[in-house]
Amino acid sequence: ETGVTQSPTHLIKTRGQQVTLRCSSQSGHNTVSWYQQALGQGPQFIFQYYREEENGRGNFPPRFSGLQFPNYSSELNVNALELDDSALYLCASSYLGGAGNYGYTFGSGTRLTVV
Amino acid sequence: KNEVEQSPQNLTAQEGEFITINCSYSVGISALHWLQQHPGGGIVSLFMLSSGKKKHGRLIATINIQEKHSSLHITASHPRDSAVYICAVSLYNTDKLIFGTGTRLQVFP
Repeated sequence: ETGVTQSPTHLIKTRGQQVTLRCSSQSGHNTVSWYQQALGQGPQFIFQYYREEENGRGNFPPRFSGLQFPNYSSELNVNALELDDSALYLCASSYLGGAGNYGYTFGSGTRLTVV
Repeated sequence: KNEVEQSPQNLTAQEGEFITINCSYSVGISALHWLQQHPGGGIVSLFMLSSGKKKHGRLIATINIQEKHSSLHITASHPRDSAVYICAVSLYNTDKLIFGTGTRLQVFP
């Protein structure tokens, strides 16, 4: 098992800038999900990528976008950053098969601060 | 009302105490997950349940599908158990995860 690696671990950006966060997928997994966790709150689902396509999206505006690559790693892009985007961004890889989504493995997160 | 509710929000205990954290949900699920989050932010999956009970070391998780309720128990608690424990459910029709807000546990020596 390689686990899930997120980069960078910490990031400070200015309001209005754009940011790209990265997430590797655990070996054998085919799905990556992204979550935003504000301080003191539970994670909120942003979107999920399966086989390089978006496979569900939470209540986040279009300036949150993503990509999944052939090796199942993924990027989260946020344009026109707002102060409220400051949060911990978590990704999780899993295996989506006929019987459902299994083996959720989480990364350590990227803490984004928007100033 | 949140679809996943946890109680208590905060919990303090003395080393050795038996701890119970509760989770109730209001949606149809395919599975329920118990997760542990340490101050650094990383999340570790403890259990994935769709019925009954699972045990791993000092941790026990139970689920009652009819009552839409799950509990996480920690026996003989230890200061290293101090963390935030999060309940999350996989939605039945989408398998997306919905998270509770977490229970912050502090175990003192």
